[in-house]
Amino acid sequence: GQNIDQPTEMTATEGAIVQINCTYQTSGFNGLFWYQQHAGEAPTFLSYNVLDGLEEKGRFSSFLSRSKGYSYLLLKELQMKDSASYLCAASDSNYQLIWGAGTKLIIKP
Amino acid sequence: GAVVSQHPSWVICKSGTSVKIECRSLDFQATTMFWYRQFPKQSLMLMATSNEGSKATYEQGVEKDKFLINHASLTLSTLTVTSAHPEDSSFYICSAGPGEPNIQYFGAGTRLSVL
Repeated sequence: GQNIDQPTEMTATEGAIVQINCTYQTSGFNGLFWYQQHAGEAPTFLSYNVLDGLEEKGRFSSFLSRSKGYSYLLLKELQMKDSASYLCAASDSNYQLIWGAGTKLIIKP
Repeated sequence: GAVVSQHPSWVICKSGTSVKIECRSLDFQATTMFWYRQFPKQSLMLMATSNEGSKATYEQGVEKDKFLINHASLTLSTLTVTSAHPEDSSFYICSAGPGEPNIQYFGAGTRLSVL
C-alpha cells in the first residue's frame, strides 16, 4: 500500500533549527511536496523535490533521497510565526498526492 | 505561484438545506481540481477528484449523491453539500494546479457549520 510517515508533533525554540522527517512508500514516484498549514487555514505550498539532494529557499530547505524513500524539511532561524502543521505529500505514478497526517510544530520563546 | 479562489469562506445553514461551494483557478486552467475535507485537529482527507467535462472520481466512503461535484469549465469546480446535517460541519478545501510538476495550490477553504 501507499503510506507517508511523519512525526505527529515537535517542539523547538525560537531562533533554533528544526528538521522534520518524512518517509514515504508509493506506487511510482513523481515528486515530494511540503506544505505549511496554520491552524484554521488552508495549506500553502513550501517546496517540491523530484531529484535527490537539497533545495534551499530562504530559511526553509527540503531534502530528498529517492533510494531511501526519505525527505526532510529544515527550518532555520525559527520564528514564532513558524508554529504550524507541516504536511508531507508524495506524488505517485498517477500524479495522485498521498498525504501524511502532518507534523505540528510548536515554537517556544 | 498560481492562485485558487474559494467562496464562500464561511457558511452557516440549517439542517436539511443544501450548500454550494465554488472553487476557481484565477490565472491558469485546471482540467483537474481536488476537494478535501478536514475535521478539527485531523489531517486532510481527499473527498473527490473533479474532472472538467466528465464525472468526478470519489474516494471510498464518500457519498456521491450527497456531495455533488460539477466541473463545467476549465476554471470552475463546485461542490454542493446536499441536505446538510450537523455531522457535515467541517472545513472544506479545494486545490488545483497548472500542470506538471503537479504542485497543488489551495483555496482558502470554506468552514461549514450546520445547525
